[in-house]
Amino acid sequence: AQTVTQSQPEMSVQEAETVTLSCTYDTSESNYYLFWYKQPPSRQMILVIRQEAYKQQNATENRFSVNFQKAAKSFSLKISDSQLGDTAMYFCAFMKPGAGSYQLTFGKGTKLSVIP
Amino acid sequence: GAGVSQSPSNKVTEKGKDVELRCDPISGHTALYWYRQSLGQGLEFLIYFQGNSAPDKSGLPSDRFSAERTGGSVSTLTIQRTQQEDSAVYLCASSPRGPREQFFGPGTRLTVL
Repeated sequence: AQTVTQSQPEMSVQEAETVTLSCTYDTSESNYYLFWYKQPPSRQMILVIRQEAYKQQNATENRFSVNFQKAAKSFSLKISDSQLGDTAMYFCAFMKPGAGSYQLTFGKGTKLSVIP
Repeated sequence: GAGVSQSPSNKVTEKGKDVELRCDPISGHTALYWYRQSLGQGLEFLIYFQGNSAPDKSGLPSDRFSAERTGGSVSTLTIQRTQQEDSAVYLCASSPRGPREQFFGPGTRLTVL
C-alpha cells in the first residue's frame, strides 16, 4: 500500500514571500501520479498542480512549482509571491494508475497561513 | 459549467439513525469517488464508480456503509445505524475516465450525536 507523509502540520509565510511544503511518499510502483490539492475554509478541494512520475521535468503552474525527486520519493510544493488567498490546507496525494480504480491516497495535510 | 454538487451541506443525526448523502457529478464525467475527511483519519477513499463497471468498494469501513450510482450519474452514499465515529465531512469527486484530475464537491458535514 502507498503512504504519503506531510511532516509539517502547520506553516506560516509573510505575504509576497516564498514557502515550500514538504511531501514524501512510499511506493514500489514506477509509474504513478502526484498531486497537490488546496482546501480553503470553504472546504472545496482545488487542484493546484499535478506531476506524472515518468516526466523528469518539474511541473509549474504560475506561482506554484514542484521539486519532484523520484529516487528520494519526495514531492515538495513551492509557492512564490505568497498571497492572502493562498491561506488553506494543502494536501499531497498519490495516484497509482492501471489497477482500475484511480483513487487518491492523501497525506495528513499542511495548514498554511499567509500573514499580511 | 456546473461543478460537483453535494447535498445536504450539513446533516445532524442521532446515533442509530440512517442517513443518505447525495452527489451530482460534473456532466460527462464517468468516474465518481467518495472520500471521508475526519480529524483523526485525514482523507480516506471510500468507493469508486466507473461507468457501468462494478464499483471498487475496498475503502468502505463497514457493512453499514453502501453506495449506489443511478444511470451513471447521481450517487447516493448511505450510512445505516450511524455511530459517533461516522462524524466527518464526506467528499464526492468526479473525473473523466483514467488518471485525470478529480473535481471535488463542497462536501457534506455529518454530525452524529
